[in-house]
Amino acid sequence: KAGVTQTPRYLIKTRGQQVTLSCSPISGHRSVSWYQQTPGQGLQFLFEYFSETQRNKGNFPGRFSGRQFSNSRSEMNVSTLELGDSALYLCASSQQTGGMNTEAFFGQGTRLTVV
Amino acid sequence: KNEVEQSPQNLTAQEGEFITINCSYSVGISALHWLQQHPGGGIVSLFMLSSGKKKHGRLIATINIQEKHSSLHITASHPRDSAVYICAVSGAQKLVFGQGTRLTINP
Repeated sequence: KAGVTQTPRYLIKTRGQQVTLSCSPISGHRSVSWYQQTPGQGLQFLFEYFSETQRNKGNFPGRFSGRQFSNSRSEMNVSTLELGDSALYLCASSQQTGGMNTEAFFGQGTRLTVV
Repeated sequence: KNEVEQSPQNLTAQEGEFITINCSYSVGISALHWLQQHPGGGIVSLFMLSSGKKKHGRLIATINIQEKHSSLHITASHPRDSAVYICAVSGAQKLVFGQGTRLTINP
């Protein structure tokens, strides 16, 4: 069974540009959540999708957005990139239908560098 | 104050030692997760528990719901156990993470 796949693995962008990251969950998993990891703030929750609906959103500006497709694949987009957006972006998939009380499986992450 | 606190933040030990990492949380949870992150960045789920104790190989995780505290133990530690261990609590469709414990096991 394939794991969670994130593409691309590495990305370098310039301030002001926008970027789209992709996450393919484990087959059969309908929940996808996104996290940002920085040395200063650690891991922080961005948003969670289930069956194409955003169910929860973290405390991030509107420049951060996401969506989920009917096949459960998810994308997140960051517009007007800032230097502070440089981070490892991780997605996790799970089978959950309710609260996060099923095991979460993480992808390898996309390391975004904004210059 | 963070909702999830881990201690210690850094831990260096010799191969073979018994390791304990602690996690305290201040919010209501549906489950607690222990995660392992190696330098490459990928995160592996070690345990998910909502009560009692779980064991997998040399790893043991316990949780005390009343005291809002969990521990991760590693027996007979090995250099390949060197990684960052992260405690996370779940509720409301999201995970809230501790700051992580960087474990280094020297041969």
